Parts: sequence; structure tokens; C-alpha cells
Amino acid sequence: GEDVEQSLFLSVREGDSSVINCTYTDSSSTYLYWYKQEPGAGLQLLTYIFSNMDMKQDQRLTVLLNKKDKHLSLRIADTQTGDSAIYFCAEIDVDTGRRALTFGSGTRLQVQP
Amino acid sequence: DVKVTQSSRYLVKRTGEKVFLECVQDMDHENMFWYRQDPGLGLRLIYFSYDVKMKEKGDIPEGYSVSREKKERFSLILESASTNQTSMYLCASSLEGRGHEQYFGPGTRLTVT
Repeated sequence: GEDVEQSLFLSVREGDSSVINCTYTDSSSTYLYWYKQEPGAGLQLLTYIFSNMDMKQDQRLTVLLNKKDKHLSLRIADTQTGDSAIYFCAEIDVDTGRRALTFGSGTRLQVQP
Repeated sequence: DVKVTQSSRYLVKRTGEKVFLECVQDMDHENMFWYRQDPGLGLRLIYFSYDVKMKEKGDIPEGYSVSREKKERFSLILESASTNQTSMYLCASSLEGRGHEQYFGPGTRLTVT
């Protein structure tokens, strides 16, 4: 079955780049998502990538996908204190017909001024 | 913008009470989901529904039931609340089809005493 793993915590200084990593187990036809959860709030979709892509960039966010290693990363450039949140990686294998995402445990990003 | 609303942000109930959590989405999405979120465990799927009156068990359905009488509304029911059901409950919705992202409500923090 699907499994998504993330490290639990990352601390960076304001202005530095943050890189949040995720590994997944599913196969070739997979959508991979990054969600952000601010304190006391629901999840907000940041970006997503399909498994036939290697990279996607959207302003300060860069997603890199290494299909061979089943490794996904989210890079946040020029990290700000407002980026402090929990970041969830999630996946769905479209070939299984499954409708629900499988989430990792979330990475808490702490940005120090 | 897609809007997913949940009936309560915070709820305190006693052990043994019947608890209803309501979720409404305004974008005519076919799929609706209930997750619970616990520290270090990420989001775990309780139930989902892909159409009115249709439902499927997720990964942790024990102790819960659901109801979907109208397309826009999906209810989670705790028949007899227990302390181990103290958690954050998140509702989400999505369009049917490949790779459609899930949109989340703000969450209900339920405490069972």
C-alpha cells in the first residue's frame, strides 16, 4: 500500500532557503502534493506535480521529483516568518482508482528571525 | 474560490455522547472526505463519499459513521464518543477524476472528557 514519510521538524533562519523532503512508495502514475497548515487552520494546497515531471516552480516554491528514488522535495526561497507552519506531503496513485490522498506525518517548519 | 465549512471550530463532549460534525462545500464536488489529525501521525482517512448516499470506509472507520443525504453536505457521527476520539477533524472535498486536489475546511477540534 501507499506510504509517505517526512521528517518531523526543520528550523531555518529568516532569509535562508528551506528544503522539506518526502519519500513515497507508489508507482508511475502518481500525483504528489504539498499542503501548508498554519496554526489552528485547515490545510491549504501550495502546489502539486505529476510523476512525469521532474520539477515545478511557482514564485518562491520549487518542487523537485526524483522518480528513481521516489523522493520529493519542496524548496522555499527567502524563507519568511510567515512560512512557519506544518507542511504535508501527499500522494495519490491514479491507477488504483483510489480517491483519497495518502498523507505524510507533516514537517513543522520553524523560521527564526 | 472553493469553500469548505465545518459547523464548529471547537467542541467539548462527554464520554458516551453522540456527536455530529457537519461539513458543507459550495463547489458541487462529488467527493467528500473526513480525516482526523493527530500529532506525529499526519492525517488519517476515516470515511469518504463519492456520491449522495454512497460511502466507503477509510483507514480508521471504527467508532465512526457518516451520512451524505445531499451532495453539498457530509456528516461525521460518533455514536458514543470516547476519550481516544479527542482529535482535530478535517473535512475535504474534491472533484471526481484524475488528480483533482482536495480542498479542506478549517477543522473541528473535538475534546471528549
